[in-house]
Amino acid sequence: AQSVTQLGSHVSVSEGALVLLRCNYSSSVPPYLFWYVQYPNQGLQLLLKYTSAATLVKGINGFEAEFKKSETSFHLTKPSAHMSDAAEYFCAVSYSGGGADGLTFGKGTHLIIQP
Amino acid sequence: GAVVSQHPSRVICKSGTSVKIECRSLDFQATTMFWYRQFPKQSLMLMATSNEGSKATYEQGVEKDKFLINHASLTLSTLTVTSAHPEDSSFYICSARDVGRIQETQYFGPGTRLLVL
Repeated sequence: AQSVTQLGSHVSVSEGALVLLRCNYSSSVPPYLFWYVQYPNQGLQLLLKYTSAATLVKGINGFEAEFKKSETSFHLTKPSAHMSDAAEYFCAVSYSGGGADGLTFGKGTHLIIQP
Repeated sequence: GAVVSQHPSRVICKSGTSVKIECRSLDFQATTMFWYRQFPKQSLMLMATSNEGSKATYEQGVEKDKFLINHASLTLSTLTVTSAHPEDSSFYICSARDVGRIQETQYFGPGTRLLVL
């Protein structure tokens, strides 16, 4: 069984400030981890994914995430927030890296960017 | 890039009617597609896995007779909500697995918002 916990349903940061979205996972096997972004009334866009190649994963739009096995975490960060980053962010876990299995999602974190 | 489309994007129907939602992979072949539903301000929940040419695999608690899935070709999967009721109102999102790429990836459609009156 696998699960994902995202701490904080809402996170608010000032434009230009550091973005930190937290994700902890539980998995009985080595996990594959993903971060997706969802803009209002749209589907999901993949930001980045961890597939065991490197613990620090760089994604699109300046986001990156670090896999920490000892902490069972995969937190998402961005050094400087931009207004366009305001969206819903989902952390997800899968048994496979390529999507052979459906994804288990966290409840999401709504990122608010203050001007 | 890989594109997944869904049709319709929004649908309103009366209680008791059936609604069909299409999911298409536009520029790649997808042997596997997934159907999720998302309630307002909640996460996505996997409903079923659709494999081309075979029966879908449903997640626990999902009624297979209510949510009929057909994956008749490598680019099309359909979800039919039969005898829809207001509690079926939700955002339905599909994803498709692109096995043609070196790193297999799931690509998500834009979603279909269903409102049952």
